[in-house]
Amino acid sequence: DVKVTQSSRYLVKRTGEKVFLECVQDMDHENMFWYRQDPGLGLRLIYFSYDVKMKEKGDIPEGYSVSREKKERFSLILESASTNQTSMYLCASSSDGRSTDTQYFGPGTRLTVL
Amino acid sequence: SQKIEQNSEALNIQEGKTATLTCNYTNYSPAYLQWYRQDPGRGPVFLLLIRENEKEKRKERLKVTFDTTLKQSLFHITASQPADSATYLCAFMTTDSWGKLQFGAGTQVVVTP
Repeated sequence: DVKVTQSSRYLVKRTGEKVFLECVQDMDHENMFWYRQDPGLGLRLIYFSYDVKMKEKGDIPEGYSVSREKKERFSLILESASTNQTSMYLCASSSDGRSTDTQYFGPGTRLTVL
Repeated sequence: SQKIEQNSEALNIQEGKTATLTCNYTNYSPAYLQWYRQDPGRGPVFLLLIRENEKEKRKERLKVTFDTTLKQSLFHITASQPADSATYLCAFMTTDSWGKLQFGAGTQVVVTP
């Protein structure tokens, strides 16, 4: 079974702090994604990566950056957390980006910025 | 602009009945459509995929239809059970969006005994 793990289930940070969210997948997938999920808005893509050291902006990249130094690990960085970044963050992976590919999600990190 | 709409109101249904969820889209030409299930506090889990040239897809008690003329997909849960209670998300992938999915906001289903 594909397993996608995220470093924390719950996180509380203060405004201005630097925040790291880590995601690890164990299925040798090429593609990895970071989403945020807010009530009524659904999942919105922040960044994705289709290879090591490669990254592409999603729909809402502002205020975020990412890092993919190893194939299995994809990190989301909030350089200076703000209260409007309070949200559920979901990581996902897929094998090779073909149109029929499904995405496998981690359990999510609920981030609260005070 | 591109838009995916799912009914934001929860669907309350009695056990044994068929639940039908709707996913409408505008300004898209989706090549593939996927449905996911999400339980509270968890990430979405893939259920079904249907291609633009397929009218219907089934998996056990689940059925998905895809009507490109109406720009709509319907998701059916037949003989619903309380364990089917969850939020169901539709997601599209277009031929020019290479591996990226656009998700609807989801519809919550509550199945009561």
